[in-house]
Amino acid sequence: EAQVTQNPRYLITVTGKKLTVTCSQNMNHEYMSWYRQDPGLGLRQIYYSMNVEVTDKGDVPEGYKVSRKEKRNFPLILESPSPNQTSLYFCASSLSRGWPYEQYFGPGTRLTVT
Amino acid sequence: KNEVEQSPQNLTAQEGEFITINCSYSVGISALHWLQQHPGGGIVSLFMLSSGKKKHGRLIATINIQEKHSSLHITASHPRDSAVYICAVNLNTDKLIFGTGTRLQVFP
Repeated sequence: EAQVTQNPRYLITVTGKKLTVTCSQNMNHEYMSWYRQDPGLGLRQIYYSMNVEVTDKGDVPEGYKVSRKEKRNFPLILESPSPNQTSLYFCASSLSRGWPYEQYFGPGTRLTVT
Repeated sequence: KNEVEQSPQNLTAQEGEFITINCSYSVGISALHWLQQHPGGGIVSLFMLSSGKKKHGRLIATINIQEKHSSLHITASHPRDSAVYICAVNLNTDKLIFGTGTRLQVFP
């Protein structure tokens, strides 16, 4: 089954404790991205990746890191989480860049930073 | 002002009603997406369109590029249609910008 998976689905952590949210897709998609969703603000892009070893900042990259060492995986790293990073996070992928393709979303990760 | 505006923000309907959700945007786009987010949080792509009209089951999406406007219609609405519907646009780059969503509740 074609899908985007994220782990963990729920995470409660404390300020400053490094964490990683994993994202994996099995559709051989080139383009992957991370979004956060906050009430009243809609989805905002954190980082995106056009292909392996190619990443770029979205609208709200501060406090986050990403890497794309393999085509299927695109982990989101919070080196020192803060309470303002409490949010619902989505990973998404699409076939390619340069022309809009259907977006496939992961199930979401609800993160709480205390 | 947001580049993507949806209306209404909230919508309630009785089962069987015809529903319209609107999306207006202020920038040049290459495509527009309609997404559905269920109460559990997962997001599913419903339509991607760059012109005209698309239909899938009871759902119809239209776009008017000149007017910078799109509508999502649901015919014969059902309680299982209750969800948040999100409009998103591809700028003439790889960037995707999202509206804040329309929360739909359909009552039996």
